[in-house]
Amino acid sequence: GGIITQTPKFLIGQEGQKLTLKCQQNFNHDTMYWYRQDSGKGLRLIYYSITENDLQKGDLSEGYDASREKKSSFSLTVTSAQKNEMAVFLCASSIYWGRNQDTQYFGPGTRLLVL
Amino acid sequence: QQQVRQSPQSLTVWEGETAILNCSYEDSTFNYFPWYQQFPGEGPALLISISSVSDKKEDGRFTIFFNKREKKLSLHITDSQPGDSATYFCAALGDTDKVVFGTGTRLQVSP
Repeated sequence: GGIITQTPKFLIGQEGQKLTLKCQQNFNHDTMYWYRQDSGKGLRLIYYSITENDLQKGDLSEGYDASREKKSSFSLTVTSAQKNEMAVFLCASSIYWGRNQDTQYFGPGTRLLVL
Repeated sequence: QQQVRQSPQSLTVWEGETAILNCSYEDSTFNYFPWYQQFPGEGPALLISISSVSDKKEDGRFTIFFNKREKKLSLHITDSQPGDSATYFCAALGDTDKVVFGTGTRLQVSP
């Protein structure tokens, strides 16, 4: 078995601030993902990474940067936090890219609140 | 535009009843449909999944019914338990690993 760890668990920021969220997985999975979860809107893909040092934009990449410097870690940066923004950011991983029936395993999420 | 739609948005059933969660999709290239279960404060976890070559998939009390012609699926939870109270996401994939999630159904099972 394995686990996905996300830090911090809660993040409170100020408008315009640059905020970084971190994700670590010990599954030894190749592919990692960042999703944003808003109430009533399901999960939307922000960035994904097929392997170390690879980055691919998802449907919601504007306003975010990502970094995959190691196979086990994937970071997400909110480049300029928006006032009153509130969302949960979920990190996930799967074994390989290209086998659509591979399960995605999710972390517990980082809850963001921008004042 | 939402490619995967779920209904109802929320559902309350009594313990022991069957809960029916509905899902529909638009893209005919979707061929794999996982359902994820999410408890408050946790990330989603895969519950059960079905490939488009099947019309039914059963795992204990959880059954997916799939109608390819109508582009509809449903998740049936028989003998619902309070511990089944969670949000359920229907998802869809085509030939890539990009998962398209529905907006979720919040299920409450009352004892």
